[in-house]
Amino acid sequence: DAKTTQPPSMDCAEGRAANLPCNHSTISGNEYVYWYRQIHSQGPQYIIHGLKNNETNEMASLIITEDRKSSTLILPHATLRDTAVYYCIVRVDSNNDMRFGAGTRLTVKP
Amino acid sequence: DTAVSQTPKYLVTQMGNDKSIKCEQNLGHDTMYWYKQDSKKFLKIMFSYNNKELIINETVPNRFSPKSPDKAHLNLHINSLELGDSAVYFCASSSGQGYYEQYFGPGTRLTVT
Repeated sequence: DAKTTQPPSMDCAEGRAANLPCNHSTISGNEYVYWYRQIHSQGPQYIIHGLKNNETNEMASLIITEDRKSSTLILPHATLRDTAVYYCIVRVDSNNDMRFGAGTRLTVKP
Repeated sequence: DTAVSQTPKYLVTQMGNDKSIKCEQNLGHDTMYWYKQDSKKFLKIMFSYNNKELIINETVPNRFSPKSPDKAHLNLHINSLELGDSAVYFCASSSGQGYYEQYFGPGTRLTVT
């Protein structure tokens, strides 16, 4: 599976959009981009995933560049409860496990 | 109702002891996992079971033995505990092999003294 690179930490003001970048320059054509998050002392939580088209659900939007070498997770109106570590994972869809990296620690500030 | 539950939430034990962590999911999922999160917060897959059959067994000491009595349960038994086994262990499940969404339990914090 392709390796991902994320900034170690980011801050965001409450109510503003949080844009979390992820680089995956060695991604293969059959690898999906997944985002999970882990709120302190809890298990990871699935957010969203995509292959090449932009995706949106009730939690977030995922923007994948045309060359698929990077992506951005957007939380449109961040709240204090969105403070967490966000993991970007690249994986072949048929694989059976998620390989978590160091992630980005997002702190939403009042 | 809790989707994926683990017991106990905290486990403190001495080196050399044998302990088990239980995991149950009530989602009707076919696939279950064990992950380990160490002190540096890296989360790593340990095992994966699909329909009670072992699918993934990462490089984990054979002191760790998963047991799946049925599809809803995947327990983790650890023999001869070592200091380095101290970590948070997460159980997870998904509706099938390779399914994109895994549901994680609340974790079991194991401390070996």
